[in-house]
Amino acid sequence: QKEVEQNSGPLSVPEGAIASLNCTYSDRGSQSFFWYRQYSGKSPELIMFIYSNGDKEDGRFTAQLNKASQYVSLLIRDSQPSDSATYLCAVTANWIKAAGNKLTFGGGTRVLVKP
Amino acid sequence: SQTIHQWPATLVQPVGSPLSLECTVEGTSNPNLYWYRQAAGRGLQLLFYSVGIGQISSEVPQNLSASRPQDRQFILSSKKLLLSDSGFYLCAWNRDRGADTQYFGPGTRLTVL
Repeated sequence: QKEVEQNSGPLSVPEGAIASLNCTYSDRGSQSFFWYRQYSGKSPELIMFIYSNGDKEDGRFTAQLNKASQYVSLLIRDSQPSDSATYLCAVTANWIKAAGNKLTFGGGTRVLVKP
Repeated sequence: SQTIHQWPATLVQPVGSPLSLECTVEGTSNPNLYWYRQAAGRGLQLLFYSVGIGQISSEVPQNLSASRPQDRQFILSSKKLLLSDSGFYLCAWNRDRGADTQYFGPGTRLTVL
């Protein structure tokens, strides 16, 4: 069974610090990796995706992928109280539109940024 | 513009009653569409997905069903709800043509009493 594991947290981070979130996955065939942010009571919002080994930066967010070790991480720099949310990691194998792409989600890491 | 809608936003239903949740999208033709459920305190679980009109794939056996009567409409149904059907139901789509990124609708919060 394909699994995606995340520490449930809460990860408590002082305002202005770096929040580091980790995610491991079991399916070596996974090719696409996504990070979603979900505020309480709201639907998930896509914040990052990464396909290749290494780092990908977008504003205050950096996604890191290591396929050999089967982990993907998310760094949030200069954390703000508005970053307090649950962060979901999702993975999927090669995508063919005619077959759809089935995302497997981790349970999420709750992040609390304290002023 | 490309948008995804879900209704109703919230729903309270008695056990044994029927269910119909609707998801519609705008701005893209022939999108892939997905239904997920998030039970309280748990992760997202893919229930159904559709790559075209009338084409439904089921991921989890249960008393739910899905239909896609039109290109931009995806419906989740049940003939008789169970207590365990309570949760946050999310519709998602591959909004960007040729990309595998999925974007979620606002969701429907279902409580079965």
